[in-house]
Amino acid sequence: QQPVQSPQAVILREGEDAVINCSSSKALYSVHWYRQKHGEAPVFLMILLKGGEQKGHEKISASFNEKKQQSSLYLTASQLSYSGTYFCGPKGANAGKSTFGDGTTLTVKP
Amino acid sequence: DSGVTQTPKHLITATGQRVTLRCSPRSGDLSVYWYQQSLDQGLQFLIQYYNGEERAKGNILERFSAQQFPDLHSELNLSSLELGDSALYFCASSPAGQGTDTQYFGPGTRLTVL
Repeated sequence: QQPVQSPQAVILREGEDAVINCSSSKALYSVHWYRQKHGEAPVFLMILLKGGEQKGHEKISASFNEKKQQSSLYLTASQLSYSGTYFCGPKGANAGKSTFGDGTTLTVKP
Repeated sequence: DSGVTQTPKHLITATGQRVTLRCSPRSGDLSVYWYQQSLDQGLQFLIQYYNGEERAKGNILERFSAQQFPDLHSELNLSSLELGDSALYFCASSPAGQGTDTQYFGPGTRLTVL
């Protein structure tokens, strides 16, 4: 099953904060976050592992609630460069279907 | 630059035709994934290979097939093309194909079916 992301779209001014949520109906071992700029390939941002380990971006943080099977991405003091579509990809412990959410489009305006 | 290469970058063809998309993974990566992204849509997982063997299958049509060769490059074959097959096709690679692997995406092949 495809994870559900919310909101579908966000428009911010530079310096404002945003939260993007990702929910899965399956038990999660890790959650990956990627950002895709228009016409470009998705780029890895962050991975959150069961047990709390987090690896990734300097200025973007995330949380992972294993019990609720949810993850949230926190974008603080947004910059113009944060604009793009953010995808979450919850993963089980083993390899399996590599399913991403539908994406959240973030637009940061000056 | 992710280190993943895809060719060709653009492909324009007619309905009913057959095309082959090629992907070379990052050096050392054993797993390759294929995704389809239609206009302003999400990433639809098609198929994953690990060291030459199929590991996971997504919503891949029967008209589509893929394989990973001994040198680890992969090809995605699309046949009997329809207008709805027009999309960006991404290949990604990862070291071990595990759930905790980061996937590195290639630049994509834009397929236009006329």
